[in-house]
Amino acid sequence: QVQLQQWGAGLLKPSETLSLTCGVFGASTSDHYWSWIRQPPGKGLEWIGEINHRGRTKYSPSLKSRLSMSMDTSKAQFSLKMTSVTAADTAFYYCARARDHGDFDSWGQGTLVSVSS
Amino acid sequence: DIQLTQTPSSLSASVGDRVTITCRASQSMTRYLNWYQQTPGRAPKLLIYGTSILQSGVPSRFSGSGSGTEFTLTISGLQPEDFATYYCQQSYSDPDTFGQGTRLEI
Repeated sequence: QVQLQQWGAGLLKPSETLSLTCGVFGASTSDHYWSWIRQPPGKGLEWIGEINHRGRTKYSPSLKSRLSMSMDTSKAQFSLKMTSVTAADTAFYYCARARDHGDFDSWGQGTLVSVSS
Repeated sequence: DIQLTQTPSSLSASVGDRVTITCRASQSMTRYLNWYQQTPGRAPKLLIYGTSILQSGVPSRFSGSGSGTEFTLTISGLQPEDFATYYCQQSYSDPDTFGQGTRLEI
């Protein structure tokens, strides 16, 4: 059974860089794409982007200029960095596995990232 | 971007009812339409992928159908644990997008 466990700083000031990492257990990171999705409190889901084991990335056009994703297959981990955060980036951030239909079948537990001065 | 519009935005129903949630896409697409269930404080859970394929472990009272621009999620015989928020998601065209959600209440 695939399990994703994520970690990273939960409280940031405006203009700082968001940094989250997701560990993959029970599956190889050499298969599938590995994704990040966020959800502002009380609101809907927004796809952020994804990466595969070769480091090929796809980013949301609206966030692309601030995003960087990386993959460490030796540690079975992938990471998200988002620069210049504002209050609008306050959200629960989830890592997830994307399968062949683009469906997200396994999710991390979520990390609430709050941006406040 | 493909926009997904779910109807209704909220729905009241009773245990044992049959309910249908619709997801309309801003352009025609095939197969890559997925459905999720989310309860408060939890990550979304995959229910249906590829429009109509039931995810392993999901009860058979959940079903999906559709094509083109209109897709549906049907729950036949609501159970207490089904009261949650449901989202559709498309991966047919980059970037992936989600519907705004449908809140199913008792």
